[in-house]
Amino acid sequence: QSALTQPASVSGSPGQSITISCTGTSSDVGGYNYVSWYQQHPGKAPKLMIYEVSNRPSGVSNRFSGSKSGNTASLTISGLQAEDEADYYCSSYTSSSTRVVFGGGTKLTVL
Amino acid sequence: QVQLVQSGAEVKKPGASVKVSCKASGYTFTSYGISWVRQAPGQGLEWMGWISAYNGNTNYAQKLQGRVTMTTDTSTSTAYMELRSLRSDDTAVYYCARVGVSGYDFDYWGQGTLVTVSS
Repeated sequence: QSALTQPASVSGSPGQSITISCTGTSSDVGGYNYVSWYQQHPGKAPKLMIYEVSNRPSGVSNRFSGSKSGNTASLTISGLQAEDEADYYCSSYTSSSTRVVFGGGTKLTVL
Repeated sequence: QVQLVQSGAEVKKPGASVKVSCKASGYTFTSYGISWVRQAPGQGLEWMGWISAYNGNTNYAQKLQGRVTMTTDTSTSTAYMELRSLRSDDTAVYYCARVGVSGYDFDYWGQGTLVTVSS
C-alpha cells in the first residue's frame, strides 16, 4: 500500500481537461510544499512534470499545472492530447525517516 | 545535456548481492545529489534513498536499512547502489535520478536497470 493515495485511472477526450488527485497527511503533502508529479510512458523512465507543488521545469508544457489544498495535491492537464496518455505519479517529502514517498500511480487514458 | 547512464541488466540468486552503477555527464557531479528509485513489475515507484555527491552523506528508506549502500566516485562522476541479501520481491527496475532544486524532486533519470532475483 502506497503512502499517498491516487485514483487508479482517469480518462478524458482530446481537448478536455482532467485532474488527478494525490492525498496524503499532514506529515507529507499537507505539511510541506515539496509535492512533485512525474509522467511515465510504458517502458520508459519517469519524467518530472511539476515540482514544489506548482512549478514547471523548463520544457514542460504549460498545459500541465499543479496545486494543493490541505492534505491533497492535484495535477491538472488541460487541452488533452494523445501523447499525454501515460501513468502519473505524485511524490512528497515526508517527515518520517523515509524522506520521500510516492503515490500508487494513475493511468491516464485519452479516449 | 544532462545524462545518467546505468549499467546493464542483472540476474541474481536469492541471498546474493547486486551493485548497479549510474554514470553522470553534462553537469557538475558534486553539485547535486543522486537518489535511487525502484519499480517492481507492474507496480508503482518506490524511493530507496539518497546520497550527496558532494560529501557522501546518505539517507536510506527505512525498509531497506541494513541491506542497501549508496556510494559515489567523484573521479568518474559515477554513483553506485548495492543491495544485499536479495529476495524475489527485490525483482524490479532500478533507476538513478538526479535530485532537483527542491531537494525532494528528481529532474533527470537514468534509463533503468532490470534486476531479476530468481533461483
